[in-house]
Amino acid sequence: GENVEQHPSTLSVQEGDSAVIKCTYSDSASNYFPWYKQELGKGPQLIIDIRSNVGEKKDQRIAVTLNKTAKHFSLHITETQPEDSAVYFCAAKADDKIIFGKGTRLHILP
Amino acid sequence: NAGVTQTPKFRILKIGQSMTLQCTQDMNHNYMYWYRQDPGMGLKLIYYSVGAGITDKGEVPNGYNVSRSTTEDFPLRLELAAPSQTSVYFCASSHMGSWETQYFGPGTRLLVL
Repeated sequence: GENVEQHPSTLSVQEGDSAVIKCTYSDSASNYFPWYKQELGKGPQLIIDIRSNVGEKKDQRIAVTLNKTAKHFSLHITETQPEDSAVYFCAAKADDKIIFGKGTRLHILP
Repeated sequence: NAGVTQTPKFRILKIGQSMTLQCTQDMNHNYMYWYRQDPGMGLKLIYYSVGAGITDKGEVPNGYNVSRSTTEDFPLRLELAAPSQTSVYFCASSHMGSWETQYFGPGTRLLVL
């Protein structure tokens, strides 16, 4: 079955700098890769996603890149702001299942 | 729209007790899911449903049961609570025919002592 590895588990960046979170997946049949943001005490919320027929997608300050050959995808957040502090989860969908990574806790330092 | 709502927000159970975690969505989504979230372990799928009357097991179904009698409701039942079921439980829903863009509820924190 699918396995999703996410790194790092914790990331601290200075406000205004960029943050990058990386995920790898094992099932080459995976075709959909969402990223969710979870704020303290709340449920996860979809922030961006990418399908396997696209290499990159951008939405304002966030972007996701996908390398199907290497089976990895990354979340990029530019010009980080205090409200970006949260836990971020990547996921990969193959067949009728979505498998989540273990999450990255992002701290934005003032 | 309220989206996905879950009750209760927090519950303490004794070992061996039973309870039902409630989940309701008002977006007319066919797909609904139950996840558990343990510290540092991400989200694990317990059960899911692709429509009223249809349920299927996820990664970690042991110790849980579900039913789906209506489109809106997807309750999760714990029959004999065990300490290993201490976790935060999230219900989610998504559009018909798709596992994509899942909308999550606020979660239920369960402590089994």
